[in-house]
Amino acid sequence: GAVVSQHPSRVICKSGTSVKIECRSLDFQATTMFWYRQFPKQSLMLMATSNEGSKATYEQGVEKDKFLINHASLTLSTLTVTSAHPEDSSFYICSATGQLVNYGYTFGSGTRLTVV
Amino acid sequence: AQTVTQSQPEMSVQEAETVTLSCTYDTSESDYYLFWYKQPPSRQMILVIRQEAYKQQNATENRFSVNFQKAAKSFSLKISDSQLGDAAMYFCAYLAGGTSYGKLTFGQGTILTVHP
Repeated sequence: GAVVSQHPSRVICKSGTSVKIECRSLDFQATTMFWYRQFPKQSLMLMATSNEGSKATYEQGVEKDKFLINHASLTLSTLTVTSAHPEDSSFYICSATGQLVNYGYTFGSGTRLTVV
Repeated sequence: AQTVTQSQPEMSVQEAETVTLSCTYDTSESDYYLFWYKQPPSRQMILVIRQEAYKQQNATENRFSVNFQKAAKSFSLKISDSQLGDAAMYFCAYLAGGTSYGKLTFGQGTILTVHP
């Protein structure tokens, strides 16, 4: 149980375009989802926390207008990177929790974004 | 704010041997949870083991065990009979208890290499 699906796994886009990444909880209701960014051989950096039906809470230094997060249902959260630039290239990971809180949050498999 | 420190950027171990990864944390809370996550080359985050702070007994999961020293705020991971598949980046993580769907605080990570 507690499976989180993240798509796409890899995406290449042109500079200036927008990219949407989806995070779905397949077998549980995800009250809260988290979005992380990770650079090679570094730790996960929390970008934002999204709660179903409310606005996301962004960490300090994260541009909310560039990284749009929508959590419209208990099973789906999306991260849209708007007007992407090469410096946005990174590995993005989502995580979800709900009734399984305190038992170890479940992570998606990640999305490698390359902006050319 | 809580902080998690992993002082070993890299560790190596021979196959079948035992290795211990260190983690210390700083918190003023008395109720919290600690986790070890594994991130293999696939970059999928996998929960290895968790520990509730109120439990004195150290958690174990097959070849993985922890040494939880609450007073010292130390939470090390011991991997016994190391296998090639244990090669990964390992993250120690902290979660404050009593907070619904709170966010994880990660350490910097330790890259573990397993030599055949």
